[in-house]
Amino acid sequence: DAKTTQPPSMDCAEGRAANLPCNHSTISGNEYVYWYRQIHSQGPQYIIHGLKNNETNEMASLIITEDRKSSTLILPHATLRDTAVYYCIVRINTGNQFYFGTGTSLTVIP
Amino acid sequence: GAVVSQHPSWVICKSGTSVKIECRSLDFQATTMFWYRQFPKQSLMLMATSNEGSKATYEQGVEKDKFLINHASLTLSTLTVTSAHPEDSSFYICSDLNRGSSYNEQFFGPGTRLTVL
Repeated sequence: DAKTTQPPSMDCAEGRAANLPCNHSTISGNEYVYWYRQIHSQGPQYIIHGLKNNETNEMASLIITEDRKSSTLILPHATLRDTAVYYCIVRINTGNQFYFGTGTSLTVIP
Repeated sequence: GAVVSQHPSWVICKSGTSVKIECRSLDFQATTMFWYRQFPKQSLMLMATSNEGSKATYEQGVEKDKFLINHASLTLSTLTVTSAHPEDSSFYICSDLNRGSSYNEQFFGPGTRLTVL
């Protein structure tokens, strides 16, 4: 079973920051938070992952709360091509399988 | 990043026939690959873990005799849907596991859309 809870859908204006929340209140100490996104009819694409520190890469930033029970994925300047379903997944670093939750359908509005 | 390919990208078949879907890891040798299924407007559901040189591990509720998985080489895993029926129509996605990376990243294929008439 998925260990994360995400809002089913969100809208964001083009050019603005998109903040996607994820609740993972039962996360274990050795579990990482991963974010993937899936554009319609394509395979999921890796975005970012983290353990407890905030992370940033060329695609996004990941903010993890101090108690690690929730996190937020930030797309700093959303574009129309960022319209996708965003999945937040927790998994131990040496683990194998990803179990996807329901994700958040983000729609970027012109 | 690493590339995973799937073939075919879409397939239409008659009920009762078998369909084989190939998943190739193009950038590294993947001893472990995964197969997912996704129905319209739903999330990805893990079906099985494909292990090179050994039997696949199936998730609970997935029929191993219906979804045959073969991982005969380090770069190729195949999923065969045997005696396909309309309820097997779905989007099938594979991924590979890069054990050589620092965090066991997974890369996903583009998916195969199966329609059973």
